[in-house]
Amino acid sequence: EVQLLESGGGLVQPGGSLRLSCVASGFTFSTYGMSWVRQAPGKGLEWVSAISGGGDFTSYADSVKARFIISRDNSKNTLHLQVNSLRADDTAIYYCAKGLGVSATNPDYWGQGTLVTVSS
Amino acid sequence: QAVVTQEPSLTVSPGGTVTLTCASSTGVVTSGHYPYWFQQKPGQAPRTLIHDVNYKHSWTPARFSGSLLGGKAALTLSGAQPEDEADYYCILSYSGVGVFGGGTKLTVL
Repeated sequence: EVQLLESGGGLVQPGGSLRLSCVASGFTFSTYGMSWVRQAPGKGLEWVSAISGGGDFTSYADSVKARFIISRDNSKNTLHLQVNSLRADDTAIYYCAKGLGVSATNPDYWGQGTLVTVSS
Repeated sequence: QAVVTQEPSLTVSPGGTVTLTCASSTGVVTSGHYPYWFQQKPGQAPRTLIHDVNYKHSWTPARFSGSLLGGKAALTLSGAQPEDEADYYCILSYSGVGVFGGGTKLTVL
């Protein structure tokens, strides 16, 4: 059974940083692209970033480019999102998602999310 | 960055049929945009209903189907059930960058 468990969210001041993590199990992690999607309170879904199975291809939404960094550690079945220079409008639930193939950038199987709150 | 547009809200009668659409600001939606459809109920994470235009998961009820229709991606619900009341989102991929539509709030009434 596929399982995705996010962690690392919390309350952070504007301008601060966090490192979100997603531990995966139930599938061969290195053979699937992974992505992050966020959802601000009461708002719609926003695709944030994706990374290929081997970690050699990454992509970002314009809204987070140069502030967020996606990475993965295939030896630990773990996906990360380093979120820097946080702003109030980064407040959201951040979902980790598994793709359908090694280069997939669309989310397919979703975790339950971790909440990031940016506030002073 | 492209903009993806969905109907903000739709209403369908129980047992009725409704089609949700997903349009791209760049023009015609094709299979190369890898359109997916997601369902989200209050307080829950989204779940994928349709991937790559019209492929279903094992958990996707048979009453849901995906297609390309009139230059857009489409999700058709045939025989709506009360439990289908939810928010529905599509996503299109633009050279490896995903863009969600704003979502459609579907009411079964």
